[in-house]
Amino acid sequence: AQSVTQPDIHITVSEGASLELRCNYSYGATPYLFWYVQSPGQGLQLLLKYFSGDTLVQGIKGFEAEFKRSQSSFNLRKPSVHWSDAAEYFCAVGAGYALNFGKGTSLLVTP
Amino acid sequence: EPEVTQTPSHQVTQMGQEVILRCVPISNHLYFYWYRQILGQKVEFLVSFYNNEISEKSEIFDDQFSVERPDGSNFTLKIRSTKLEDSAMYFCASRASGANTGELFFGEGSRLTVL
Repeated sequence: AQSVTQPDIHITVSEGASLELRCNYSYGATPYLFWYVQSPGQGLQLLLKYFSGDTLVQGIKGFEAEFKRSQSSFNLRKPSVHWSDAAEYFCAVGAGYALNFGKGTSLLVTP
Repeated sequence: EPEVTQTPSHQVTQMGQEVILRCVPISNHLYFYWYRQILGQKVEFLVSFYNNEISEKSEIFDDQFSVERPDGSNFTLKIRSTKLEDSAMYFCASRASGANTGELFFGEGSRLTVL
Protein backbone atom coordinates (compact mmCIF):
# COMPACT_ATOMS: atom_id res chain seq x y z
CA ALA A 1 0.00 0.00 0.00
CA GLN A 2 1.18 3.48 -0.72
CA SER A 3 2.25 5.70 2.15
CA VAL A 4 3.96 8.99 2.74
CA THR A 5 6.19 9.69 5.71
CA GLN A 6 7.35 13.07 6.89
CA PRO A 7 9.74 12.22 9.73
CA ASP A 8 9.91 15.71 11.20
CA ILE A 9 6.80 17.01 12.94
CA HIS A 10 8.34 20.38 13.79
CA ILE A 11 11.36 22.20 12.42
CA THR A 12 12.75 25.52 13.58
CA VAL A 13 15.17 27.51 11.43
CA SER A 14 16.59 31.00 11.62
CA GLU A 15 15.59 33.50 9.01
CA GLY A 16 18.11 33.40 6.19
CA ALA A 17 19.20 29.86 6.94
CA SER A 18 18.73 26.99 4.54
CA LEU A 19 15.88 24.53 4.89
CA GLU A 20 15.30 20.91 4.04
CA LEU A 21 12.04 19.11 4.78
CA ARG A 22 12.11 15.36 4.40
CA CYS A 23 9.58 13.19 2.66
CA ASN A 24 9.74 9.45 2.04
CA TYR A 25 7.17 7.48 0.14
CA SER A 26 6.22 3.92 -0.47
CA TYR A 27 4.52 3.27 -3.75
CA GLY A 28 4.57 0.40 -6.19
CA ALA A 29 4.67 2.35 -9.42
CA THR A 30 6.25 5.57 -10.58
CA PRO A 31 4.89 8.11 -8.15
CA TYR A 32 3.46 11.49 -8.80
CA LEU A 33 4.79 13.62 -5.97
CA PHE A 34 3.66 16.95 -4.61
CA TRP A 35 4.49 19.45 -1.93
CA TYR A 36 1.73 21.64 -0.53
CA VAL A 37 1.95 24.49 1.97
CA GLN A 38 -0.73 25.54 4.40
CA SER A 39 -0.43 28.94 6.03
CA PRO A 40 -2.49 29.64 9.16
CA GLY A 41 -6.15 30.03 8.26
CA GLN A 42 -5.48 29.25 4.63
CA GLY A 43 -6.11 26.34 2.32
CA LEU A 44 -3.49 24.09 0.79
CA GLN A 45 -1.36 25.69 -1.90
CA LEU A 46 0.71 23.70 -4.35
CA LEU A 47 4.43 24.48 -4.13
CA LEU A 48 5.71 22.06 -6.73
CA LYS A 49 5.19 18.67 -8.29
CA TYR A 50 7.16 15.87 -9.91
CA PHE A 51 5.90 13.50 -12.56
CA SER A 52 8.88 12.56 -14.69
CA GLY A 53 12.02 13.94 -16.27
CA ASP A 54 14.45 16.15 -14.42
CA THR A 55 14.59 14.95 -10.84
CA LEU A 56 15.19 18.45 -9.50
CA VAL A 57 12.01 20.48 -9.74
CA GLN A 58 11.55 24.14 -9.10
CA GLY A 59 8.48 25.54 -7.45
CA ILE A 60 7.00 28.79 -6.30
CA LYS A 61 8.41 31.00 -3.54
CA GLY A 62 11.97 29.83 -4.20
CA PHE A 63 11.38 26.20 -3.21
CA GLU A 64 12.82 23.19 -4.97
CA ALA A 65 12.60 19.46 -4.43
CA GLU A 66 14.67 16.53 -5.57
CA PHE A 67 13.25 13.14 -6.42
CA LYS A 68 15.60 10.30 -5.49
CA ARG A 69 14.20 6.97 -6.57
CA SER A 70 16.93 4.96 -4.85
CA GLN A 71 16.04 6.55 -1.51
CA SER A 72 12.29 6.82 -2.15
CA SER A 73 12.56 10.43 -1.15
CA PHE A 74 11.28 13.78 -2.33
CA ASN A 75 12.82 16.34 -0.02
CA LEU A 76 11.88 19.99 -0.17
CA ARG A 77 14.59 22.62 0.03
CA LYS A 78 15.02 26.35 0.15
CA PRO A 79 18.43 28.07 0.30
CA SER A 80 17.32 31.03 2.43
CA VAL A 81 14.18 30.98 4.53
CA HIS A 82 12.02 34.05 5.03
CA TRP A 83 9.78 34.67 8.04
CA SER A 84 6.76 34.38 5.75
CA ASP A 85 7.67 30.75 5.06
CA ALA A 86 6.43 29.76 8.52
CA ALA A 87 3.63 27.32 7.76
CA GLU A 88 2.67 23.65 7.62
CA TYR A 89 4.18 21.69 4.74
CA PHE A 90 2.66 18.54 3.33
CA CYS A 91 4.18 15.99 1.00
CA ALA A 92 1.71 13.97 -1.07
CA VAL A 93 1.69 11.07 -3.49
CA GLY A 94 -0.82 11.01 -6.31
CA ALA A 95 -2.56 7.83 -7.31
CA GLY A 96 -5.89 7.24 -8.93
CA TYR A 97 -8.25 10.08 -8.16
CA ALA A 98 -6.82 10.88 -4.76
CA LEU A 99 -3.76 12.35 -3.12
CA ASN A 100 -2.24 10.56 -0.16
CA PHE A 101 -0.77 13.09 2.25
CA GLY A 102 1.94 12.86 4.84
CA LYS A 103 1.25 14.12 8.36
CA GLY A 104 2.93 17.40 7.68
CA THR A 105 5.91 19.32 9.02
CA SER A 106 5.36 22.53 10.90
CA LEU A 107 8.01 25.13 10.13
CA LEU A 108 8.85 27.86 12.62
CA VAL A 109 11.14 30.68 11.52
CA THR A 110 13.02 32.62 14.18
CA PRO A 111 14.54 36.08 13.74
CA GLU B 1 -7.28 34.19 -9.83
CA PRO B 2 -10.04 31.58 -9.64
CA GLU B 3 -10.35 29.85 -6.31
CA VAL B 4 -12.31 27.23 -4.44
CA THR B 5 -14.58 28.72 -1.82
CA GLN B 6 -16.05 26.97 1.19
CA THR B 7 -18.80 27.83 3.63
CA PRO B 8 -19.11 27.98 6.53
CA SER B 9 -15.59 28.66 7.71
CA HIS B 10 -16.49 27.30 11.13
CA GLN B 11 -19.49 25.37 12.35
CA VAL B 12 -20.29 24.16 15.83
CA THR B 13 -22.94 21.47 16.17
CA GLN B 14 -24.34 19.06 18.67
CA MET B 15 -23.64 15.36 18.37
CA GLY B 16 -26.32 13.65 16.30
CA GLN B 17 -27.15 16.70 14.25
CA GLU B 18 -26.91 16.87 10.48
CA VAL B 19 -24.32 19.14 8.94
CA ILE B 20 -23.92 20.32 5.37
CA LEU B 21 -20.63 21.80 4.24
CA ARG B 22 -20.68 23.73 1.03
CA CYS B 23 -18.10 24.26 -1.65
CA VAL B 24 -17.98 26.20 -4.87
CA PRO B 25 -15.26 24.65 -7.04
CA ILE B 26 -13.45 26.49 -9.79
CA SER B 27 -15.94 26.97 -12.58
CA ASN B 28 -14.37 24.94 -15.40
CA HIS B 29 -13.21 22.08 -13.20
CA LEU B 30 -14.77 18.66 -13.55
CA TYR B 31 -13.39 16.65 -10.61
CA PHE B 32 -14.29 17.41 -7.05
CA TYR B 33 -12.96 16.14 -3.76
CA TRP B 34 -13.43 16.27 -0.04
CA TYR B 35 -10.57 15.79 2.39
CA ARG B 36 -10.48 16.15 6.13
CA GLN B 37 -7.81 16.92 8.68
CA ILE B 38 -8.35 16.01 12.29
CA LEU B 39 -6.38 18.33 14.56
CA GLY B 40 -2.76 17.26 14.71
CA GLN B 41 -3.18 14.56 12.07
CA LYS B 42 -2.62 14.32 8.36
CA VAL B 43 -4.93 15.38 5.59
CA GLU B 44 -7.08 12.37 4.68
CA PHE B 45 -8.94 11.66 1.47
CA LEU B 46 -12.68 11.20 1.83
CA VAL B 47 -14.25 11.12 -1.60
CA SER B 48 -13.90 12.12 -5.23
CA PHE B 49 -16.76 13.02 -7.52
CA TYR B 50 -17.04 13.21 -11.29
CA ASN B 51 -19.89 13.34 -13.74
CA ASN B 52 -22.44 13.42 -10.93
CA GLU B 53 -21.26 10.31 -9.21
CA ILE B 54 -18.70 9.17 -6.70
CA SER B 55 -15.57 7.93 -8.45
CA GLU B 56 -13.64 6.86 -5.38
CA LYS B 57 -14.10 6.92 -1.63
CA SER B 58 -12.08 6.01 1.40
CA GLU B 59 -12.97 3.83 4.37
CA ILE B 60 -13.75 6.98 6.31
CA PHE B 61 -16.59 7.84 3.93
CA ASP B 62 -19.24 5.59 5.44
CA ASP B 63 -23.02 5.73 5.23
CA GLN B 64 -23.11 8.81 7.43
CA PHE B 65 -21.51 10.82 4.65
CA SER B 66 -22.94 11.85 1.31
CA VAL B 67 -21.98 14.26 -1.44
CA GLU B 68 -24.06 16.08 -3.93
CA ARG B 69 -23.77 18.58 -6.72
CA PRO B 70 -27.23 20.07 -6.55
CA ASP B 71 -26.68 22.67 -9.23
CA GLY B 72 -23.99 23.77 -11.63
CA SER B 73 -21.83 25.42 -9.04
CA ASN B 74 -22.13 23.93 -5.56
CA PHE B 75 -20.62 20.72 -4.24
CA THR B 76 -21.79 19.68 -0.80
CA LEU B 77 -20.71 17.25 1.89
CA LYS B 78 -23.45 16.09 4.24
CA ILE B 79 -22.83 14.33 7.52
CA ARG B 80 -26.12 12.77 8.52
CA SER B 81 -25.64 12.31 12.25
CA THR B 82 -22.46 13.86 13.53
CA LYS B 83 -20.19 12.16 16.03
CA LEU B 84 -17.54 13.67 18.24
CA GLU B 85 -14.84 12.15 16.06
CA ASP B 86 -16.16 14.04 13.03
CA SER B 87 -14.63 17.19 14.47
CA ALA B 88 -12.07 18.22 11.89
CA MET B 89 -11.16 20.68 9.19
CA TYR B 90 -12.84 19.68 5.96
CA PHE B 91 -11.23 20.73 2.71
CA CYS B 92 -12.89 20.83 -0.66
CA ALA B 93 -10.74 20.59 -3.77
CA SER B 94 -11.27 20.62 -7.50
CA ARG B 95 -9.27 19.66 -10.53
CA ALA B 96 -9.68 20.48 -14.19
CA SER B 97 -8.81 17.04 -15.49
CA GLY B 98 -8.76 13.52 -14.15
CA ALA B 99 -5.10 12.97 -14.87
CA ASN B 100 -2.94 12.31 -11.84
CA THR B 101 -0.77 15.17 -13.00
CA GLY B 102 -3.48 17.73 -12.69
CA GLU B 103 -3.15 20.12 -9.80
CA LEU B 104 -5.70 19.96 -7.02
CA PHE B 105 -6.90 23.38 -5.94
CA PHE B 106 -7.99 23.49 -2.32
CA GLY B 107 -10.38 25.74 -0.49
CA GLU B 108 -9.54 27.30 2.84
CA GLY B 109 -11.47 24.67 4.73
CA SER B 110 -14.50 24.42 6.96
CA ARG B 111 -13.78 23.71 10.59
CA LEU B 112 -16.42 21.46 12.14
CA THR B 113 -16.65 21.18 15.91
CA VAL B 114 -19.00 18.54 17.29
CA LEU B 115 -19.94 18.91 20.94
